[in-house]
Amino acid sequence: EIVMTQSPATLSVSPGERATLSCRASQSVSSRLAWYQQKPGQAPRLLIYGASTRATGLPVRFSGSGSGTEFTLTISSLLPEDFAVYTCQQYHNWPITFGQGTRLEIK
Amino acid sequence: EVQLVESGGGLIQPGGSLRLSCAASGFTLRSNYISWVRQAPGKGLEWVSVIYSSDSTYYADSVKGRFTISRDNSKNTLYLQMNSLRAEDTAVYHCARGKDSGSPYLFDYWGQGTLVTVSS
Repeated sequence: EIVMTQSPATLSVSPGERATLSCRASQSVSSRLAWYQQKPGQAPRLLIYGASTRATGLPVRFSGSGSGTEFTLTISSLLPEDFAVYTCQQYHNWPITFGQGTRLEIK
Repeated sequence: EVQLVESGGGLIQPGGSLRLSCAASGFTLRSNYISWVRQAPGKGLEWVSVIYSSDSTYYADSVKGRFTISRDNSKNTLYLQMNSLRAEDTAVYHCARGKDSGSPYLFDYWGQGTLVTVSS
């Protein structure tokens, strides 16, 4: 199965600043890569799919890039509600697999 | 509005059984690909099982032979029957909808989850 590795495990950033999260696949997943946001007690939320396509209603401060094995989620100017755990997922090969998540915390 | 609401979690002894439910609203369950995805404490998400609109079902190796996914179309509800439970099955269990037939494992809606704790 494809192993998804996210870095860093925890990222401390101040509100208003940019956050850059990384996700690496152990083999190519083409562009079949999604990002989800998780907050305690809430349902995970789809943010990005196809590596760079924003889900409906997602603010433009969120952007995704990459293909193959290297992917990035960028949040351009952090708002208080953006501090959460972000998880990448490949849906190119079965079984689908997720990264361990990056916790984005307020600095 | 699309909603998925899980229930049925709880504390269960090793070797026991539990049935989780996922009530769907705002869409028709039988026309979609629906998965169960779990998250153990302090761990990442792990895909568990899927049921296709064709009624085909698939399982992760870790639960194959012990878990059974099904749905009741009249109730628009998904189930996960979990038997021979182990400590490592302890997790929050989410149901999640596949975005479309081209990407059945890309999940556009999720439930909040229900906690299953396997412990003596």
